[in-house]
Amino acid sequence: GAGVSQSPSNKVTEKGKDVELRCDPISGHTALYWYRQSLGQGLEFLIYFQGNSAPDKSGLPSDRFSAERTGGSVSTLTIQRTQQEDSAVYLCASSLEGARNQPQHFGDGTRLSIL
Amino acid sequence: DAKTTQPPSMDCAEGRAANLPCNHSTISGNEYVYWYRQIHSQGPQYIIHGLKNNETNEMASLIITEDRKSSTLILPHATLRDTAVYYCIVSSGSARQLTFGSGTQLTVLP
Repeated sequence: GAGVSQSPSNKVTEKGKDVELRCDPISGHTALYWYRQSLGQGLEFLIYFQGNSAPDKSGLPSDRFSAERTGGSVSTLTIQRTQQEDSAVYLCASSLEGARNQPQHFGDGTRLSIL
Repeated sequence: DAKTTQPPSMDCAEGRAANLPCNHSTISGNEYVYWYRQIHSQGPQYIIHGLKNNETNEMASLIITEDRKSSTLILPHATLRDTAVYYCIVSSGSARQLTFGSGTQLTVLP
């Protein structure tokens, strides 16, 4: 398909483990965004990539969270030493470029559950 | 960032037009209005966006008032699959992050 692809769709892990979440943006989209959505809550911005660089990491909640993007395409969000409060749906979006009038297109997210 | 206000819920009969209002009275001159929707357990879906002029695409129409302080999303012939939470968003002036409010839960009734 031509949309944003995220994997895995669901992840259950024990507290203290590390997890990696993957995002494949729409081909040709240079801007990539990570958000998370907790149950019944709105979207919380985490990080924004333009190409391989991240000019805005302001939303990462702690140093346990990191993200990288390679080749201007696939991105990985890593959470180290997971805590129960990390349980949420992690959403990735991409857009043609980081300009204000380019809409972001979202994947269906990774539902992360920390036991 | 400009704040948006939407009714928490609306019902619409299947086949009829759904008109979803949004107030954004503090919008600045270079900010766009975006509409997204989210169906349970899926990611937000982009619908349409505009700056000043009315816009139409295959999904919906967007009517923006002349003073840009409010807008209306129109789904011309609502179907049951249009049942979702609809979000009206004004684009952030800084890091391009989107800020979703509470949205409007639209229920299309058979």
